[in-house]
Amino acid sequence: AQSVAQPEDQVNVAEGNPLTVKCTYSVSGNPYLFWYVQYPNRGLQFLLKYITGDNLVKGSYGFEAEFNKSQTSFHLKKPSALVSDSALYFCAVRDDSNYQLIWGAGTKLIIKP
Amino acid sequence: DAGVIQSPRHEVTEMGQEVTLRCKPISGHDYLFWYRQTMMRGLELLIYFNNNVPIDDSGMPEDRFSAKMPNASFSTLKIQPSEPRDSAVYFCASSSRPGTGAKTDTQYFGPGTRLTVL
Repeated sequence: AQSVAQPEDQVNVAEGNPLTVKCTYSVSGNPYLFWYVQYPNRGLQFLLKYITGDNLVKGSYGFEAEFNKSQTSFHLKKPSALVSDSALYFCAVRDDSNYQLIWGAGTKLIIKP
Repeated sequence: DAGVIQSPRHEVTEMGQEVTLRCKPISGHDYLFWYRQTMMRGLELLIYFNNNVPIDDSGMPEDRFSAKMPNASFSTLKIQPSEPRDSAVYFCASSSRPGTGAKTDTQYFGPGTRLTVL
């Protein structure tokens, strides 16, 4: 069965520091991995995705994520956090056999000035 | 591109009333998804369509929920009768067919409809 885990409900980071939001997954076939961000009272916005190719994926707003097949992880990272990065972040996965995305529970990211 | 359009943005109704949520997907997208988001259950997929045909409705909670897609540019999610536990934010999302291109296989979400059932 496919699954996604975001082990941290909340991550607190000081502005200017690097940030990491963790995601691990389980699929039976090749993984297709996504990160989305949700600001208060807004819909989800696409940040980046891994389908194939380079393990380091760059996305919107300076975010990047590293696909690690051996650890079945796809952690979201940013070298220097901004207060405006504060939001809810979702990781999602699907495999070759199913077009339906499986979503993580979300991680609330709080960037403190 | 106008993005995914949902209406209404907010709906307040009384228990027992019929509620209809509307969605216009991005032009050219083959897939349409309806999600529900609550604090308790997070983001749940209710149903999704491919080329206007429902593919998987296993997430629809009860027979009170129904969804239609009469054409490529319009979909509705109906709740009849509504109950207080249906209160949530309902999102519609659309995407093009699966693939490896930059814009394929990415779901684009609408702003959501916040439903409150009293």
